[in-house]
Amino acid sequence: DSGVTQTPKHLITATGQRVTLRCSPRSGDLSVYWYQQSLDQGLQFLIQYYNGEERAKGNILERFSAQQFPDLHSELNLSSLELGDSALYFCASSPGGRSRSGELFFGEGSRLTVL
Amino acid sequence: GEDVEQSLFLSVREGDSSVINCTYTDSSSTYLYWYKQEPGAGLQLLTYIFSNMDMKQDQRLTVLLNKKDKHLSLRIADTQTGDSAIYFCAETAYGQNFVFGPGTRLSVLP
Repeated sequence: DSGVTQTPKHLITATGQRVTLRCSPRSGDLSVYWYQQSLDQGLQFLIQYYNGEERAKGNILERFSAQQFPDLHSELNLSSLELGDSALYFCASSPGGRSRSGELFFGEGSRLTVL
Repeated sequence: GEDVEQSLFLSVREGDSSVINCTYTDSSSTYLYWYKQEPGAGLQLLTYIFSNMDMKQDQRLTVLLNKKDKHLSLRIADTQTGDSAIYFCAETAYGQNFVFGPGTRLSVLP
């Protein structure tokens, strides 16, 4: 158990809909990362937050947004969903800053299926 | 931007050694990692190596780093069917800007 909790584990929805994925980082970790894993594109970095503020942005679509709350949990909002958004969405956390090993701890992922 | 490359597939026979290779471009990398992803699960850290090291051994796992060629390898001795998974190479500079490779799918044949 990595200590990172993601909900829901599975989600099935229709095109055009909006969903919210939630992540609770490991206790004490200030950084949260979101990744998208699809069969044909591997692990794609979406966005990183550190202590409530956006730190880095990757290949995140404009239809997607995220935030990190004062209690450090994070939400990834996906809107106007398309079939191609079907994927496994991972959250990872780390202590943040210039940590000793910089290890990322991954949750088990939220599997989104868009029909 | 920075890039990490790996071969996508590797098949070995049970009991043989597996060697998974990775190349990276970021010369400022401080840590390099190997993560394992089993079917339906998240990524789990297997091992990591600091950039000033050449080798790290942990039980059946041996990590070799050639910093000059920016080449990292993971050797799994006595590969078992339970080692079948996707292995991701990743690098970072002081815990910032993690970059992952595409993953190598290791299949262990009985």
